[in-house]
Amino acid sequence: DTAVSQTPKYLVTQMGNDKSIKCEQNLGHDTMYWYKQDSKKFLKIMFSYNNKELIINETVPNRFSPKSPDKAHLNLHINSLELGDSAVYFCASSHYAGARGTGELFFGEGSRLTVL
Amino acid sequence: DQQVKQNSPSLSVQEGRISILNCDYTNSMFDYFLWYKKYPAEGPTFLISISSIKDKNEDGRFTVFLNKSAKHLSLHIVPSQPGDSAVYFCAASARGSNYKLTFGKGTLLTVNP
Repeated sequence: DTAVSQTPKYLVTQMGNDKSIKCEQNLGHDTMYWYKQDSKKFLKIMFSYNNKELIINETVPNRFSPKSPDKAHLNLHINSLELGDSAVYFCASSHYAGARGTGELFFGEGSRLTVL
Repeated sequence: DQQVKQNSPSLSVQEGRISILNCDYTNSMFDYFLWYKKYPAEGPTFLISISSIKDKNEDGRFTVFLNKSAKHLSLHIVPSQPGDSAVYFCAASARGSNYKLTFGKGTLLTVNP
């Protein structure tokens, strides 16, 4: 019974295409995230939603658009894919602790995107 | 601008010995630190954390030490087991950052039987 599940796990596509990665969590958390792990292995936050409201939006190209239909889902849509978008994208969730700025994240298995 | 640095990309230890993984940070606003463990083809999983009001936190075989003046933390695993072989990420967050974790690059730990 997977806590944070992402689909697809692997995605190979051509430059210029549009693709989506879906994420669902069954932990009852109210905050969800997208992280990107690039070729240099850094895990960097892209977006965070709390109860469907965007609360973190790092410097990410406008081609990336997160969508949270409800607090258990956070999807990532990418337009006009570029070679540099190739990475592993991790979805995560947590309880929201507000200003405390702390928290344990529960990660999905990752979605490896390869842009040719 | 690496605010969280793990300068050792890899570490190899013998089973039963101690593993020490190190992490340095530059942002003095960080007040909460976490270690995550990652196996291949899986997402990172939370291991242990420490608040800046403490200098040590222990959970079974895992202990995290925090030296705020040196902006340094370390994870000790003792005794090390082959199943501990994984990539270990150090992460930090600052008060009021909405759970924005800044991760290091990770250290690959290999525990040899």
